[in-house]
Amino acid sequence: GAGVSQSPSNKVTEKGKDVELRCDPISGHTALYWYRQRLGQGLEFLIYFQGNSAPDKSGLPSDRFSAERTGESVSTLTIQRTQQEDSAVYLCASSLAGGSNQPQHFGDGTRLSIL
Amino acid sequence: GENVEQHPSTLSVQEGDSAVIKCTYSDSASNYFPWYKQELGKRPQLIIDIRSNVGEKKDQRIAVTLNKTAKHFSLHITETQPEDSAVYFCAAMGAGGTSYGKLTFGQGTILTVHP
Repeated sequence: GAGVSQSPSNKVTEKGKDVELRCDPISGHTALYWYRQRLGQGLEFLIYFQGNSAPDKSGLPSDRFSAERTGESVSTLTIQRTQQEDSAVYLCASSLAGGSNQPQHFGDGTRLSIL
Repeated sequence: GENVEQHPSTLSVQEGDSAVIKCTYSDSASNYFPWYKQELGKRPQLIIDIRSNVGEKKDQRIAVTLNKTAKHFSLHITETQPEDSAVYFCAAMGAGGTSYGKLTFGQGTILTVHP
């Protein structure tokens, strides 16, 4: 596609429910990143995929968070047993290759609200 | 890990004036420094980036300077226009170890350009 696509754009759910967020990277981009942005804050790194392997999961806040990626395509970020502090915009980015010097291009994000 | 500090947190200028935003980073091995512009409710957009083998880069009204010795880099916007109003984020990408390929963001600068 022309850019990074994320769905849903908005998600409202009750505390304790599981949610699944989806990211379609730019075609041909082998690296994929997930970030979290709380209201009025900077971007917080969550996880990085090179192909379908995740060399760096260091940013995942807890074991309630997990992510997977199919080949060099779609990725899903799953949050189990959501808590109110999970409310944020979840942004996905992709780059041509992983590692240094590669520009990352962002999607529009999923705005997650936990009631 | 990498730590990026960004100043100022807010910046207000008159149309036509220049704006400067500064960032410092902690990991001397970082070698890629992008700047993103984020309008309200929209995705971060890459506006300019610089690699560690370059001291300055310019693109029309936007320029970035990098001082590797002092570990700081700056964004300069000249002849500001109201449409430059947005939140600007700096970031640094690690080159090795646990920081490899990971973007660490500053906390953002809210730039307001008054007509």
